Amino acid sequence: EIVLTQSPGTLSLSPGERATLSCRASQSVSSRQLAWYQQKPGQAPRLLIYGTSNRATGIPDRFSGSGSGTDFTLTISRLEPEDFAVYHCQRYDESTLSFGGGTKVEIK
Amino acid sequence: QVHLQESGPGLVKPSETLSLTCTVSGVSVTGYSWNWIRQSPGKGLEWIGYGQYSGRTKYNSSLMSRVTLSVDTSNNQFSLKLTSVTAADAAVYYCARWGGSQIYAFDTWGQGTMVTVSS
Repeated sequence: EIVLTQSPGTLSLSPGERATLSCRASQSVSSRQLAWYQQKPGQAPRLLIYGTSNRATGIPDRFSGSGSGTDFTLTISRLEPEDFAVYHCQRYDESTLSFGGGTKVEIK
Repeated sequence: QVHLQESGPGLVKPSETLSLTCTVSGVSVTGYSWNWIRQSPGKGLEWIGYGQYSGRTKYNSSLMSRVTLSVDTSNNQFSLKLTSVTAADAAVYYCARWGGSQIYAFDTWGQGTMVTVSS
């Protein structure tokens, strides 16, 4: 089973700064199979990025996704106050589906 | 607008069966794959499985022996049954739609329902 490892566990940044979140897979993942979600306390996750780099409906362009193979990145170009949250990556294949452990982006 | 709403008992006794329902509005359950995902307190997300109108299902191998998912077209709902629950099954349970042929991800989520396992 492919395991997703997210790093760092916690990212402490100030509003306006750039956030770079990593998601590493234990085996190669097709670009189509990688997604990112944002989750705020007490809320369900919200789809941000699918297919590695496609923004979901209504997602601002300060969010971008990139990567290939085993290394994928979510970048938030300039953090807004509402962006402080936990971010999860997720992959799937014909056999199964799994999430990474999450990265918390907190206010420094 | 598509909306998903979970319902079911918030408290289940150990060794009993957890039953949850997700009511879908804004789209027919005859399309898409309908999923259950859970999140234990302070932990990450765990995919439980999906069901389709056709009767096709797919389960997380770690839960396969205890899980049954089904789709009810008459009520536009889909459901989860998890047998022989233990404290490890306490979590927030989410239902979610798999986006389909264009969006390979969970594009719509319910708000989640918390389940406690205790006697």
